[in-house]
Amino acid sequence: SAVISQKPSRDICQRGTSLTIQCQVDSQVTMMFWYRQQPGQSLTLIATANQGSEATYESGFVIDKFPISRPNLTFSTLTVSNMSPEDSSIYLCSVEDLGQTKKNYGYTFGSGTRLTVV
Amino acid sequence: AQSVAQPEDQVNVAEGNPLTVKCTYSVSGNPYLFWYVQYPNRGLQFLLKYITGDNLVKGSYGFEAEFNKSQTSFHLKKPSALVSDSALYFCAVRGRGRTNAGKSTFGDGTTLTVKP
Repeated sequence: SAVISQKPSRDICQRGTSLTIQCQVDSQVTMMFWYRQQPGQSLTLIATANQGSEATYESGFVIDKFPISRPNLTFSTLTVSNMSPEDSSIYLCSVEDLGQTKKNYGYTFGSGTRLTVV
Repeated sequence: AQSVAQPEDQVNVAEGNPLTVKCTYSVSGNPYLFWYVQYPNRGLQFLLKYITGDNLVKGSYGFEAEFNKSQTSFHLKKPSALVSDSALYFCAVRGRGRTNAGKSTFGDGTTLTVKP
């Protein structure tokens, strides 16, 4: 399965500032997914990032608040902009594990970024 | 739209007893179904999946899950629970259509506590 390196693992930020989270995958993947998870709660999909096109955002999430870059098939960034305490959460990236036959073998997640906005 | 329900926020079992964590789903067509586990302060770990084939799928750490199409369920089971199984468990569904290509929808999670 793919291996994802996500950083930073945690950060404490001042309100009004921005934080960029990076995910590096050890293999080429078509789609990368960005999730938000409140501690102990479920995951909510923020957006799907495809290489070479704009990210597709889910309801309630907008590009101005969560700009995403996908410069190549192994890397993506999510920026949390103009942060407020309500943005405090865990942010995770994910990729779909496809074998050589392009069958789904599950999903791999980054280790997460624990963000606290003060 | 696809959705997942985990009706129990909390499941408590004694060590050595069988455990079941329930999951029901709603999706158009045949689903991909997954179970993940999350230990405190750690990322999600893939446990098992159902794509096609046998309704009983076996996964990591002795867990298994049974796909029941008529009941739209995918309950997670283990014959004998360990204290180390205590964690937060998520069920997820992925549709096969192009509309939700690649997207997984997660349940709210079930906290499993196994007591010695």
